[in-house]
Amino acid sequence: EPEVTQTPSHQVTQMGQEVILRCVPISNHLYFYWYRQILGQKVEFLVSFYNNEISEKSEIFDDQFSVERPDGSNFTLKIRSTKLEDSAMYFCASRVAGGSTDTQYFGPGTRLTVL
Amino acid sequence: DQQVKQNSPSLSVQEGRISILNCDYTNSMFDYFLWYKKYPAEGPTFLISISSIKDKNEDGRFTVFLNKSAKHLSLHIVPSQPGDSAVYFCAARVNTDKLIFGTGTRLQVFP
Repeated sequence: EPEVTQTPSHQVTQMGQEVILRCVPISNHLYFYWYRQILGQKVEFLVSFYNNEISEKSEIFDDQFSVERPDGSNFTLKIRSTKLEDSAMYFCASRVAGGSTDTQYFGPGTRLTVL
Repeated sequence: DQQVKQNSPSLSVQEGRISILNCDYTNSMFDYFLWYKKYPAEGPTFLISISSIKDKNEDGRFTVFLNKSAKHLSLHIVPSQPGDSAVYFCAARVNTDKLIFGTGTRLQVFP
């Protein structure tokens, strides 16, 4: 069964450094998302992406964050200058297209630790 | 932001019995609801969903009930199995794509 994959599984970085989290969505999916879960808290929406542009973003997704689909398979989340509070699990998700009942399928996540 | 609430942080059920997980929401504009299951160190796994125009959806051992007047949905697992032990998240969607998640309920199924 096709699945969303994410790399790396765990990323440790120093505060102020840039990180890029990578995702390979399911191949025929056209809508892509990033969510995050801070330890002990809810899963929170960050951004949705369709047709090579952001369709919606949350208040969390400020100028330090950016997303890109550099080629036909990868979808990346970049954090320009990491802060301690960016430490969280980051989940990528994707869905097919069009149908109002299409489900978002999630990857296994990248644990980001900012020191 | 408390638009989706799961008021029970944990639930313990004996194997073979029914597990009922509850979720309340405040936004009447939500049009689609989903349940996800999550194991530690893994991403949420889709279980079952329901459109706001329905009141029940069933898939094998899993049934989701929606009571729009009460703004309440529930997930029934019958019979419960030890492999069902995980954290269950309720999520809701309003017109746009983003999902709003509840805080999760940890289900433990014991023999």
